[in-house]
Parts: sequence; structure tokens; C-alpha cells
Amino acid sequence: QLQLQESGPGLVKPSEPLSLTCTVSGGSIGSSSFYWGWIRQPPGKGLEWIGSIYYSGSTFYNPSLKSRVTISVDSSKNEFSLKVTSVTAAETAMYYCARGGILTGDYALFDDWGQGILVTVSS
Amino acid sequence: DMQLTQSPSSLSASVGDRVTITCRASQGIRNDLGWYQQKPGKAPKRLIFAASRLDSGVPSRFSGSGSGTEFTLTISSLQPEDFATYYCLQHNSYPPTFGQGTKVEIK
Repeated sequence: QLQLQESGPGLVKPSEPLSLTCTVSGGSIGSSSFYWGWIRQPPGKGLEWIGSIYYSGSTFYNPSLKSRVTISVDSSKNEFSLKVTSVTAAETAMYYCARGGILTGDYALFDDWGQGILVTVSS
Repeated sequence: DMQLTQSPSSLSASVGDRVTITCRASQGIRNDLGWYQQKPGKAPKRLIFAASRLDSGVPSRFSGSGSGTEFTLTISSLQPEDFATYYCLQHNSYPPTFGQGTKVEIK
């Protein structure tokens, strides 16, 4: 059974970068033709798609974040990562990683999700 | 960005009730829509994809319908474990967007 697990610092200072990793078990990122993505949810609020990456490395980013976001994949470690630069307090949220679909049009049709990691942006 | 508007934002219902949640898109999105259930402190769980296809393991009391701009999620007989917040997601138009959520509470 596929499992995803987010990891990284739970506290980030304003203007500093946020870096998270999603480790995948029960399946291989490199040998499966899926998209993988990141979604976030501020406390008590709704869901926002951050971006998605194909197993080969091609990416889609939310234009509202595009200049500050990088998603990368490391098939040898079976993990993919998120980096958001210059964060603000408004980006305090639960960050989820998830598996998308196979087709290009399904890059954000997430089925399996990690449990999430709460990242607080505060000095 | 494509706007998805869910209605109602919240509802109170009793066990056994039939519940319908609507998701309206600001432009046509064919059937590129999924429905997710989220319980407090948990990650969202996908229930339906392609507007009407039930995910494996999801009880048959859940159903989805619609195409274009109007979609519905129906729970035919609400069970205690169904009290949660429900979100629709469109992946037709870039960027993908979620509805604002519908909280289903116990009456």
C-alpha cells in the first residue's frame, strides 16, 4: 500500500525559505508514471494547490507562487521536495504531499495523501 | 483562476438523511472534477473522480453527478462517520482549484 510522509522543520522565520520532503513507500516514484504534488491548508481554511511534478521532473506550479516555488524529485531516494522562498506569516499552514494521476490533465487529481506537516512561519 | 463555488457552506443533518452538496464552476470543465472528504486533523480523502466515478472502497451511498459547470455530491443515507467537510476540486483549467468546502454537521 502506497504511503507518503512529509518531513521538515515545523517552524520557519519570516523571509526565510521553507523546505519540505515527501518520502514515498510502497511504490517507486522512478518506475511509475505518476505526478506528485504539494497542497497546503492554512488553519481553519480551505485547500490550495502549490504545484506538481512528473516522475521525469517536469513541473507545474501555481502562478500565485510560481516565482518562489521549486519542486524537485529524487528517484534514487524515492522522495520529492518542496522549497518556497521568502515566506510570510500568511503561509503558516498544514502542508500535504500527494500522488496525482498518470495523464498530463490529471496532474492535480490527487488520490493518496500524506498525513500533513504543520509549518508555522514566525520569528 | 477558475472559481468553484460550493453550496451550502455548511449544513446540519441527521443520521439517515439524504444530503446533496453542489459545486458550480465559473466556466465549463467537462467532467474534470473530484470530491474529497476531510475529517478534523486528517488529510483529505478522495471519494469521487471524473465527476461520477467512485473511488475503490468508498461506500455506495456516495454518488456524484454533473458535467460542464454544475456538479453534485449526494450521500443517500448519512452515517455517523460521514460528518466531515467536503471539497470539490477542478483539474481542467490551470491552475487547479478547490471549492471553499461544505461542512456537514450533526443535527
